[in-house]
Amino acid sequence: QVQLQESGPGLVKPSETLSLTCSVSGSSISNYYWNWIRQPPGKGLEWIGYAYSSGGTTSYNPSLKSRVTISVDTSKNQFSLKVNSVTAADTAVYYCARDGPGSWDLLGYWGQGTLVTVSS
Amino acid sequence: QTVVTQEPSLSVSPGGTVTLTCGLSSGSVSISYHVSWYQQIPGQAPRTLIYNTNIRSSGVPDRFSGSILENKAALTITGAQAADESDYYCVVYMGNAIWVFGGGTKLTVL
Repeated sequence: QVQLQESGPGLVKPSETLSLTCSVSGSSISNYYWNWIRQPPGKGLEWIGYAYSSGGTTSYNPSLKSRVTISVDTSKNQFSLKVNSVTAADTAVYYCARDGPGSWDLLGYWGQGTLVTVSS
Repeated sequence: QTVVTQEPSLSVSPGGTVTLTCGLSSGSVSISYHVSWYQQIPGQAPRTLIYNTNIRSSGVPDRFSGSILENKAALTITGAQAADESDYYCVVYMGNAIWVFGGGTKLTVL
């Protein structure tokens, strides 16, 4: 079965770069859309963006596009998220997710989420 | 920028029927928006209930159904149970490879 697991620092200083990795098991990394979503404490979900494993296609939330990079590492069967110049507003639980199994099923498989706090 | 709207909160009696909606601040939702619905129990990751407007995800009880009602996407729960008390989110395809979540609905079963 498809399993996703987020990992990375739980505390990031303001103005620095937030970096997270999502390790994938039970699924090839190829030919899927690999997404990141976040949820500030007590608030709703926000789609950050995705990378498609074949061809390097990416799509980002316009409100975050200038600060976000999502990339796929096929050799390690994992994908990553980088958010530059973070502020306290970037404090959130970050989820990784894969599309499928159905068509137009953007977020069929989710990781358990990891809390990232931005604070000095 | 178009905002995706959901009722902030709703309540339903056990065994009752409730409809949650997902609309746009500008315009109407249709099947072309490929709406998905997610259930999130506090402290847990969301899980998919419905995708592509009305397709039930594997393992989801058939008391959950998706549709388009009066220019909005709708999630209907028929025969609500205590276990359905959760937060519900829709996500909408806005075109140009962009997806937007609604603000979520907190459903109370009482």
